Amino acid sequence: AQSVAQPEDQVNVAEGNPLTVKCTYSVSGNPYLFWYVQYPNRGLQFLLKYITGDNLVKGSYGFEAEFNKSQTSFHLKKPSALVSDSALYFCAVREATSGTYKYIFGTGTRLKVLA
Amino acid sequence: DVKVTQSSRYLVKRTGEKVFLECVQDMDHENMFWYRQDPGLGLRLIYFSYDVKMKEKGDIPEGYSVSREKKERFSLILESASTNQTSMYLCASSSPGPIGDTQYFGPGTRLTVL
Repeated sequence: AQSVAQPEDQVNVAEGNPLTVKCTYSVSGNPYLFWYVQYPNRGLQFLLKYITGDNLVKGSYGFEAEFNKSQTSFHLKKPSALVSDSALYFCAVREATSGTYKYIFGTGTRLKVLA
Repeated sequence: DVKVTQSSRYLVKRTGEKVFLECVQDMDHENMFWYRQDPGLGLRLIYFSYDVKMKEKGDIPEGYSVSREKKERFSLILESASTNQTSMYLCASSSPGPIGDTQYFGPGTRLTVL
């Protein structure tokens, strides 16, 4: 069975500091991994994805994520946080050859960047 | 840009009413999804559809049904609304392919059932 975990409900970071939002997953084969961001009263917006290839994936707004197969992780990172990065972040996974387009989403991590 | 629109941003209904939530996408995507979002529970899949007139149950289909008569439109129906269906409802669409099927989300409908 597929699953995804975001172990932190909330992450606080000072503006200008690096940030990390954690995600671990479980699939039986190779994963497709996504990060989405949700700003207040908005739908989810795509940030980045890992399908195959380079383990370091770069996405929108200066975010990046590193796929680590041995640790089954896909942590979201940014070198220097902005107050405007404050939002709710979701990790999502599905198994690449599962034959379904159904994704499993994490419970979300609220990022607060403090000025 | 992909655009997914939902018929209402906010909706207030009474217990027992039949409720229709409409979703329209303009990118000719084959796949469409309905999720509900609740604090601490993340997004949970209610129903999804791979094609016109096709539907599959997600993780929490009880109390809901769906309709997809046209490729661009996917409707979620609450046959008899209950207070525990108060939630944020999100629609999404995607197109299958070898580069990964990114989902594009609508703005959401916040439904309150009194």
